[in-house]
Amino acid sequence: GAGVSQSPSNKVTEKGKDVELRCDPISGHTALYWYRQSLGQGLEFLIYFQGNSAPDKSGLPSDRFSAERTGGSVSTLTIQRTQQEDSAVYLCASSLRLGGNYEQYFGPGTRLTVT
Amino acid sequence: ELKVEQNPLFLSMQEEKNYTIYCNYSTTSDRLYWYRQDPGKSLESLFVLLSNGAVKQEGRLMASLDTKARLSTLHITAAVHDLSATYFCAVRPAQTGANNLFFGTGTRLTVIP
Repeated sequence: GAGVSQSPSNKVTEKGKDVELRCDPISGHTALYWYRQSLGQGLEFLIYFQGNSAPDKSGLPSDRFSAERTGGSVSTLTIQRTQQEDSAVYLCASSLRLGGNYEQYFGPGTRLTVT
Repeated sequence: ELKVEQNPLFLSMQEEKNYTIYCNYSTTSDRLYWYRQDPGKSLESLFVLLSNGAVKQEGRLMASLDTKARLSTLHITAAVHDLSATYFCAVRPAQTGANNLFFGTGTRLTVIP
């Protein structure tokens, strides 16, 4: 079946602009996660959603970052007033349910470059 | 804050040789994962280790978990070029309500013919 998809695959933006990154989880998966991978680094957790519950935003690095998930499916990660340090690969993952019993499946990522 | 450390960060090895990648973590965990990432690609799940002493093997890769030592190893046997990739371990904390994963910085493996 279809895996997690993300768009765009690459995004180049000027410092100060806003960007939106999209994630389509695997159909039927209720949990959705956003991670950030900076160059040469591991993944850094940003936010997760479970169904229609309030998201866990504890990993968001600043108030310029926000995310929403409409209808319990597609999610959009928005970065306002982008800075050069926001340049990274943003990975989305989904799992059947929330929690460690359920494997997270990762999308191909969006490579964001802020110039 | 949970810290996950991998070593080595870079590993260059010859084909047919054996080597081990180490993953140490700083707090109690009830799940440990190993992922593979090829350049420009996303993460592919390799192993999920759930309990102390767990050992899983797939082809030339074998992963083990020692929860008392807070250590997992990924052992590579008789390496082949196709194994060249970056390998990440990731840990889910055991405390109630923790659902996100904490990742190590990765080990970039290059297998040389």
